[in-house]
Amino acid sequence: DAGITQSPRHKVTETGTPVTLRCHQTENHRYMYWYRQDPGHGLRLIHYSYGVKDTDKGEVSDGYSVSRSKTEDFLLTLESATSSQTSVYFCAISRQGLGSYNEQFFGPGTRLTVL
Amino acid sequence: KNEVEQSPQNLTAQEGEFITINCSYSVGISALHWLQQHPGGGIVSLFMLSSGKKKHGRLIATINIQEKHSSLHITASHPRDSAVYICAVREWGRDDKIIFGKGTRLHILP
Repeated sequence: DAGITQSPRHKVTETGTPVTLRCHQTENHRYMYWYRQDPGHGLRLIHYSYGVKDTDKGEVSDGYSVSRSKTEDFLLTLESATSSQTSVYFCAISRQGLGSYNEQFFGPGTRLTVL
Repeated sequence: KNEVEQSPQNLTAQEGEFITINCSYSVGISALHWLQQHPGGGIVSLFMLSSGKKKHGRLIATINIQEKHSSLHITASHPRDSAVYICAVREWGRDDKIIFGKGTRLHILP
């Protein structure tokens, strides 16, 4: 357990509405990630952060934005939700493992349904 | 072609059987992860390895860097091992990028 929580855990919203998902960590890790998981696909990186106010895009970043104003919180925003963004969203942190290789630990996930 | 391929995609076995899940990858890597995801549940890291073999309880993970292949073995399988097992690789020189396989769905029958 790397002290990662996500909120909300479940959300149903309508097309065109803004949605913000929150990831909170308690261990002061530098790297944080947002992934989405869909049937038939592996986990796909949306955005990641390597420090406060330092973020970068992943492979499926279109339609998403992120913010990290403090170390412990990484927010994912869907400015105008679409049905294609119905998915399970996982937050992750990177923690130093053995031999300097970083190991990822995941939050419990947020199930988002866009009607 | 996916950079990380797992086989089989689905596997059903009887309790007690020896299970092997395979992962092949096409990029240079600095580390490989095996993850477990129970139905409706979160994702748990089982192993991270860069060479050789690691063992934890009934789980064994091996990696052959030259062949770009890893296996996850479960000995004396149990219904509670039923889950999706995901292989993921950290691309060499790209500490920020992890490539995930699509997962292997394992169902152990009592």
